[in-house]
Amino acid sequence: QKEVEQNSGPLSVPEGAIASLNCTYSDRGSQSFFWYRQYSGKSPELIMSIYSNGDKEDGRFTAQLNKASQYVSLLIRDSQPSDSATYLCAVSKAAGNKLTFGGGTRVLVKP
Amino acid sequence: DAGVTQSPTHLIKTRGQHVTLRCSPISGHKSVSWYQQVLGQGPQFIFQYYEKEERGRGNFPDRFSARQFPNYSSELNVNALLLGDSALYLCASSWGQVPTYEQYFGPGTRLTVT
Repeated sequence: QKEVEQNSGPLSVPEGAIASLNCTYSDRGSQSFFWYRQYSGKSPELIMSIYSNGDKEDGRFTAQLNKASQYVSLLIRDSQPSDSATYLCAVSKAAGNKLTFGGGTRVLVKP
Repeated sequence: DAGVTQSPTHLIKTRGQHVTLRCSPISGHKSVSWYQQVLGQGPQFIFQYYEKEERGRGNFPDRFSARQFPNYSSELNVNALLLGDSALYLCASSWGQVPTYEQYFGPGTRLTVT
């Protein structure tokens, strides 16, 4: 079992719709959770961080964390073609801040 | 403010050669981490340095080494290059090594081994 798992996609959504991305992790000692966006040929860009159970909203993005079920999700509202990218889920444990990444979910927003 | 910078942007090396990659963190950040990203996969952790000391090492062979300088910049060295070392090498900086500190990535160095 991989430490952090994501559906590789592609997740195809029409412009203006909500894109829903999921991520599960195996280590219950995980403390911090991050979503990165990576355009093709570019480096990852941090878009959200979440540390406690519940929802966290930032603009069109909402991160949701459920530690009991060991999953974290990302919602992208009013999806735009510019949101087409690979979204990486990353998890950090209690000691140090080494990030463990999932394989990423590719999102395609169609006009 | 300048973000994380890395050099060079691209590099082509031959099997068996040695390579040095460089990274300058965001001003004020004291921790630098290195990741390797193979095409189609998420980044894999190689090293973390904080206050010039190694604070974490991933599952990579001893051919990989790194260090951090007094100005918090860092370099990653890879000896005896293999074809499988071809990847995007990412440097990330953060304030420190506490798990809640966010990490910000540089543009990466694309290494091709032929």
